[in-house]
Amino acid sequence: AQSVAQPEDQVNVAEGNPLTVKCTYSVSGNPYLFWYVQYPNRGLQFLLKYITGDNLVKGSYGFEAEFNKSQTSFHLKKPSALVSDSALYFCAVRDGAGGGNKLTFGTGTQLKVEL
Amino acid sequence: NAGVTQTPKFQVLKTGQSMTLQCAQDMNHNSMYWYRQDPGMGLRLIYYSASEGTTDKGEVPNGYNVSRLNKREFSLRLESAAPSQTSVYFCASSESYSGNTIYFGEGSWLTVV
Repeated sequence: AQSVAQPEDQVNVAEGNPLTVKCTYSVSGNPYLFWYVQYPNRGLQFLLKYITGDNLVKGSYGFEAEFNKSQTSFHLKKPSALVSDSALYFCAVRDGAGGGNKLTFGTGTQLKVEL
Repeated sequence: NAGVTQTPKFQVLKTGQSMTLQCAQDMNHNSMYWYRQDPGMGLRLIYYSASEGTTDKGEVPNGYNVSRLNKREFSLRLESAAPSQTSVYFCASSESYSGNTIYFGEGSWLTVV
């Protein structure tokens, strides 16, 4: 079985400061990892993904994520937060070894960026 | 290019009523999905269609049926709505069923009273 943990329900950060949203995962095969963002009353928007290759993945809106196989983590980062980054962030995983494109999502982390 | 479009956006049902959520994508994707989102539980897969003509159960299929009408359209039906089905429903699609990025619609807010 595959699973995702987002240990923080909410992360608060001041505008201009770096932000990190944490994600750890569990799969039996090679992980395919994704980050999505959800603004209020909207659908999920794709931010970035890791399939293979460089452990540092760059995505939309200045976000990046670092894949760490030994720690089974895929934390989302941004060097300088904006108030407009305030939203709900979801990490998701699927097993690259098979089972199709069935993603397992974490429970989400609410990011609040304050002036 | 609208992406994934789902209707209705909001609906209130009485217990026992039936309804169908409609979904269409214009990206020529082969695979389509229905998820539900509940507070504190993330998104859970209800049903998916890996390709036109096929449908399969996901994690929480009970109380739902689906139809892959054609390559573009994938509908979700609640035959006899229950309060436990109060949720936000998302339709999604991907180019194929082998690890491509999944793209989501804007959601349908369903309340069963």
